Amino acid sequence: EAGVTQFPSHSVIEKGQTVTLRCDPISGHDNLYWYRRVMGKEIKFLLHFVKESKQDESGMPNNRFLAERTGGTYSTLKVQPAELEDSGVYFCASSQGVGAADPYNEQFFGPGTRLTVL
Amino acid sequence: DQQVKQNSPSLSVQEGRISILNCDYTNSMFDYFLWYKKYPAEGPTFLISISSIKDKNEDGRFTVFLNKSAKHLSLHIVPSQPGDSAVYFCAASYSGSARQLTFGSGTQLTVLP
Repeated sequence: EAGVTQFPSHSVIEKGQTVTLRCDPISGHDNLYWYRRVMGKEIKFLLHFVKESKQDESGMPNNRFLAERTGGTYSTLKVQPAELEDSGVYFCASSQGVGAADPYNEQFFGPGTRLTVL
Repeated sequence: DQQVKQNSPSLSVQEGRISILNCDYTNSMFDYFLWYKKYPAEGPTFLISISSIKDKNEDGRFTVFLNKSAKHLSLHIVPSQPGDSAVYFCAASYSGSARQLTFGSGTQLTVLP
């Protein structure tokens, strides 16, 4: 079974440009999460989709970030316009179920996209 | 304000000895705790978890201990192996959060042969 995939693996852009990151979750996983790790610090939650619906986007830093999950399959995260502080590693994760002791709760992470804004 | 803290950015241990990684949290709503392991250029992978109704969970060489009164958990690896060298993230979640994970900043474990 294929894991979570993310594209591109690296992206270097200049301040003010637009970048779109893509995540393909594990097939059949309704839950999709975006996280970000900046400068070797903690991994921070950005938002959560259940199928195509945004369940929680409380972690999105500002309105320069737009996430979509059309059709409930893959997801994109667009940053427009990019700022220097957006640099970091963006992780996508997916899970089958959501619940307190749900054995399917495990979130499987992709390898991340390293974004560098110059 | 960080709700999950890993105060040791790095830890070195001799092969065969015990590795103890520590984590503290501040949010008493957390009811599920996880440890993830991360190799360079890879995403975090799930290692072991514990529910707040338990104080210990064991899986092979890995044991997680939870002290709710102290809001502290630890991961014990016995015996440590060179392949365990990685960054270990402590994470927490609660039922009202749709299971989003709140992570610590990670501890780089190096197991010396």
